[in-house]
Amino acid sequence: GAVVSQHPSRVICKSGTSVKIECRSLDFQATTMFWYRQFPKQSLMLMATSNEGSKATYEQGVEKDKFLINHASLTLSTLTVTSAHPEDSSFYICSASWGQLTDTQYFGPGTRLTVL
Amino acid sequence: AQSVTQLDSHVSVSEGTPVLLRCNYSSSYSPSLFWYVQHPNKGLQLLLKYTSAATLVKGINGFEAEFKKSETSFHLTKPSAHMSDAAEYFCVVRATNRDDKIIFGKGTRLHILP
Repeated sequence: GAVVSQHPSRVICKSGTSVKIECRSLDFQATTMFWYRQFPKQSLMLMATSNEGSKATYEQGVEKDKFLINHASLTLSTLTVTSAHPEDSSFYICSASWGQLTDTQYFGPGTRLTVL
Repeated sequence: AQSVTQLDSHVSVSEGTPVLLRCNYSSSYSPSLFWYVQHPNKGLQLLLKYTSAATLVKGINGFEAEFKKSETSFHLTKPSAHMSDAAEYFCVVRATNRDDKIIFGKGTRLHILP
């Protein structure tokens, strides 16, 4: 149980275009979803936290107009990288949890974004 | 505020020998602590978590960790390493206070020598 999927697993786009990444909890209702960014051989950096039906909370230094997050239902959150540039190339990982604050996060497999 | 420090970026052990991956944390509130493993090209998987219950936590694949408040440590151990344990391991701290962040350590790459 507690499976989280991400789509697509890999995406290559041209500079200036927008890319949408989907995160789905397949067998549970996720009250909270998290979006992370992971640079090569580095740790995960939390970008934002989203609760179903409300606006996402962005971490300091993360541009909310650049990284649009929508958590429209208890099983789906989307991250849209707008007007992507090569420096946005990275590994984006989502996770989902439910219940109280200390509950476990279940991670998706990640999406590799390459901006040419 | 809270932070987490993984003391070793790389650890190499021989197959069949014990594994020790070190993690120290700081937190203004009672923390929840987690260890996750990331195999190449795969998503993070929860190994174990501590949430103020028993201080010795047993996880999957024979791993365990002990919460030591006096030492602010949450080291991950396994009695006997297996080749399949080769991966990146992350220690994570999360406070029970809603305003605090989820903080990942920088990771420890575990190498298993035949």
